[in-house]
Amino acid sequence: AQKVTQAQTEISVVEKEDVTLDCVYETRDTTYYLFWYKQPPSGELVFLIRRNSFDEQNEISGRYSWNFQKSTSSFNFTITASQVVDSAVYFCALSEANTGTASKLTFGTGTRLQVTL
Amino acid sequence: NAGVTQTPKFQVLKTGQSMTLQCAQDMNHEYMSWYRQDPGMGLRLIHYSVGAGITDQGEVPNGYNVSRSTTEDFPLRLLSAAPSQTSVYFCASAGGRGTEAFFGQGTRLTVV
Repeated sequence: AQKVTQAQTEISVVEKEDVTLDCVYETRDTTYYLFWYKQPPSGELVFLIRRNSFDEQNEISGRYSWNFQKSTSSFNFTITASQVVDSAVYFCALSEANTGTASKLTFGTGTRLQVTL
Repeated sequence: NAGVTQTPKFQVLKTGQSMTLQCAQDMNHEYMSWYRQDPGMGLRLIHYSVGAGITDQGEVPNGYNVSRSTTEDFPLRLLSAAPSQTSVYFCASAGGRGTEAFFGQGTRLTVV
């Protein structure tokens, strides 16, 4: 069965610091999809990025970057020059292509990021 | 641009009562699912559907029923509410395998 581990329960940083959120996953499928979602204090879930298992290219989007490494089953998320508006709970999630569908996401327990002035 | 709409946003139930959480999407997505979010546990899958007329159980299905009579709607029924079902419930839809899921605003349910 698939599993997603976010070992960091809570991280506190001062604004403008860089911060990396860790995500480690387990799956038996060779084809799978990884996601990051953000849940701000207002409670909605906001999609950030999707990666498939065949695409190990790292990605940068503004202050956000993602490091996908199949060799270590990790999909880490870095925020550069953090801002107070980045304060939220961040979830990593996994969907398997063979045994699962787009309906079946396995989530990590989330990392609460607190950015202070 | 409605996306995924959940109603109600808040609900308080007494133990033993039944109710239906509504979920509707206007994106013509085949895939829909229900999750519950509890402190420290992330989101856990309750039930899911890969198309109209097709549903299946997720990780925590006990105490919940679903049906999918149309592509747009995927209601979640609590048969006999228990305090353990106090949670925030999210409905999601996705357009295809490997695509991102879009979530509703959530329903905060309290069972007393």
